[in-house]
Amino acid sequence: KQEVTQIPAALSVPEGENLVLNCSFTDSAIYNLQWFRQDPGKGLTSLLLIQSSQREQTSGRLNASLDKSSGRSTLYIAASQPGDSATYLCAVINYGQNFVFGPGTRLSVLP
Amino acid sequence: NAGVTQTPKFQVLKTGQSMTLQCAQDMNHNSMYWYRQDPGMGLRLIYYSASEGTTDKGEVPNGYNVSRLNKREFSLRLESAAPSQTSVYFCASTPLRGAYSNQPQHFGDGTRLSIL
Repeated sequence: KQEVTQIPAALSVPEGENLVLNCSFTDSAIYNLQWFRQDPGKGLTSLLLIQSSQREQTSGRLNASLDKSSGRSTLYIAASQPGDSATYLCAVINYGQNFVFGPGTRLSVLP
Repeated sequence: NAGVTQTPKFQVLKTGQSMTLQCAQDMNHNSMYWYRQDPGMGLRLIYYSASEGTTDKGEVPNGYNVSRLNKREFSLRLESAAPSQTSVYFCASTPLRGAYSNQPQHFGDGTRLSIL
């Protein structure tokens, strides 16, 4: 059974710092991995999707990498801003299965 | 663009009451999903519908039923609500189910349900 963990559970950083969020999964035979952002009281918004054949994806100040063999993905946020404060979740999907989500990392960027 | 719309946004029920959570998407997606989100546990899949006319159980289906009314609408019903079903419920959709789609899931804003 696929299991997804995210470390740390919560993170607080001053504005302007670069930061890394981690996602680990137990079954490396994934089809794709997605990173989502969730604001308080809202649903999830997709940030980046990495297909199994890809190593990374970039969108603006966000860069997500994927290492299938080690069961890890990282989300790198450059020059963090208070508006980046949210909970970040990763989700993976294996062939023939449904998405499995991690518990999320709650990020606070302090002005 | 509406995307995925869920109603109601908030609801308080007494133990034993029933209710239906509504979800509709306007993106012509084939697959729709119901999740529950509990603190520290991420999202867990309750039921999904890979295409119109089909529904299947997810990880935590007990105490719930679903109906894929048409391509747009996918409802979740609690027949006899229990305090353990207090949670935030999310509906999501994708063009195709899971591993047949490299498109991201689109989520509604959730229904916050409290069972007293």
